[in-house]
Amino acid sequence: DVKVTQSSRYLVKRTGEKVFLECVQDMDHENMFWYRQDPGLGLRLIYFSYDVKMKEKGDIPEGYSVSREKKERFSLILESASTNQTSMYLCASSGDGTSTDTQYFGPGTRLTVL
Amino acid sequence: EDQVTQSPEALRLQEGESSSLNCSYTVSGLRGLFWYRQDPGKGPEFLFTLYSAGEEKEKERLKATLTKKESFLHITAPKPEDSATYLCAVAFGGYNKLIFGAGTRLAVHP
Repeated sequence: DVKVTQSSRYLVKRTGEKVFLECVQDMDHENMFWYRQDPGLGLRLIYFSYDVKMKEKGDIPEGYSVSREKKERFSLILESASTNQTSMYLCASSGDGTSTDTQYFGPGTRLTVL
Repeated sequence: EDQVTQSPEALRLQEGESSSLNCSYTVSGLRGLFWYRQDPGKGPEFLFTLYSAGEEKEKERLKATLTKKESFLHITAPKPEDSATYLCAVAFGGYNKLIFGAGTRLAVHP
């Protein structure tokens, strides 16, 4: 079974704080993704990575950065959290031999910025 | 414009009342179409991948089908535990990323 884990289920931070969201997958997948999900707006891609140390901007990268130092780990960084970054953050990975496009999601992190 | 549209936005069924959810797409070079189930406050759970028109896949009370323009998720004799949001996504062209639809919220009442 594919396993994608995220460091926290719930997180509360203050405006201006630096926030790290961690994601780890155990299936040796090449691709990893960060999304945010908001009511009425669906899933929106923030950043993705197709290899270690490689990253590409998604549809809404502003205010975020990412780091992928090891294949299994993909971090999302909010340099200076703002209230409009309150959201559900979802990590996903893909790239097994049979279906390279199928993305498997983690449980999500509900981030509240006060 | 490349996009994925799901309908209806919300669906209320009585237990045992079969129905279908629709996912239509306008992309070039479809590589795969994906169905996910998402429970409130949780991450999407992978259900099916369909690769070509005419393909069908089944899992318990769910059956997914694919044509050249759309996919259907048929739910046969649903139970209350089938209540969830069902998401559809497509992979296309040379892109690594997926495009997701907005989802259909399904509520099954006893």
